[in-house]
Order: sequence, then C-alpha cells, then structure tokens
Amino acid sequence: AQTVTQSQPEMSVQEAETVTLSCTYDTSESDYYLFWYKQPPSRQMILVIRQEAYKQQNATENRFSVNFQKAAKSFSLKISDSQLGDAAMYFCAYRSENAGGTSYGKLTFGQGTILTVHP
Amino acid sequence: NAGVTQTPKFRILKIGQSMTLQCAQDMNHNYMYWYRQDPGMGLKLIYYSVGAGITDKGEVPNGYNVSRSTTEDFPLRLELAAPSQTSVYFCASTWDSGNTIYFGEGSWLTVV
Repeated sequence: AQTVTQSQPEMSVQEAETVTLSCTYDTSESDYYLFWYKQPPSRQMILVIRQEAYKQQNATENRFSVNFQKAAKSFSLKISDSQLGDAAMYFCAYRSENAGGTSYGKLTFGQGTILTVHP
Repeated sequence: NAGVTQTPKFRILKIGQSMTLQCAQDMNHNYMYWYRQDPGMGLKLIYYSVGAGITDKGEVPNGYNVSRSTTEDFPLRLELAAPSQTSVYFCASTWDSGNTIYFGEGSWLTVV
C-alpha cells in the first residue's frame, strides 16, 4: 500500500516571500500521479498542481511549482510571491496510474500542512 | 454545470440514528468515491465504485454502506451513528484513473 507523509504540520511565510512545503511518499509502482490540493477554511478541495511520474520536467502553475525527485520519492511544493489568499491547509496526494488491480484511481492523502501567510 | 453535488451540507445526528448522505454527479463519470476528513487530518477513503452496480471498501468502511444503482448517484448510508463518525464527508468522481478528480463541497456531520 502507498503512503504519503507531510512532515510539516504548520508553516508560515511573509507576504511576497517564497515557501516550500515538503512531501514524501512510499510506493513500489513506477507509474503514478502526484498532486497538491489546497483546502481553505470552507473545506473546498482545490487542485493546485499535478505531476505525472513519467515526466522528468517539474510541473509549474503560475506561482506554484514542484520539485519532483522520483528516486528519493520526494514531491515538494514551492509557492512564490506568497499572497494572503494562499493561506490554507495543503495536502499532498498520490494516485496510481494503474486503473485495474486495487487502485481504481483512488487518492491517498498526506496529513496536511497548515500554511499561514503574514502581511 | 453542477459537477459533484452533496446533500445535506450540515447535519447533526443523535447517537444511534441513521442517515444517508447523497452524492450526485452530472459528468457521466464511472468512478465515484466517498472520503471522510477528521479535524486536522487528511482524507481517508471509505468506499468507492467503478460503475453502476459495483462498489468496494476503502480504508475505513466500518459503520457505512453504499450503493450505486445509477451512474449519477452514489449515496453513503450511516447506520447507528456514533460520535467517532463526526467528520466532514467528501464525495468525488472521475472518468477514469488518469483524469482529474472532482470533489463535492463536503458534508459536515456531527454525532452527539
């Protein structure tokens, strides 16, 4: 079974600064997806960024980028030019690419990191 | 475009009562999921379905039941509610394992 670990329960950053959230995972599979989700106080689940394991290039979405280290099973999220609206809980999640077997596209989540942005 | 719709959004149950959380999607998705999120924690999979008539247990299925009689609907039944089932429940769906997963807005359940 896959596991996802976020070792930082809380992080804080000054507005306009850069912050990096850490995530490690454990899997024996070679093909999979990794995600970062943002969850504001409303509890809505918002997809921030997605990485396919077969791609060597790190994914980027505007101010959000990842550092994907497949051999190390590490998947960190970098938020540049932090804004007050970035304050939320962030979840790292894993998903197998294998539609069959026992995966069926299920997401496995980490415990989450609460990000505070100071003005 | 409604996406994934969950009802009710908020509910207070007494210990031992039963209820059904409704989930409907209008995207013709095959795969549907129910997750629960306890305070300060990540989401854990309760049940999932890969198509009408097919359901299977996830990580934390005890105390719950599901059915999938149509592609659109995936209700979650709580029998004999317990305080440990106080949580936020999320329904999600996707076309297949490689596509984006869409989440509902969550249902906040308190058992007292």
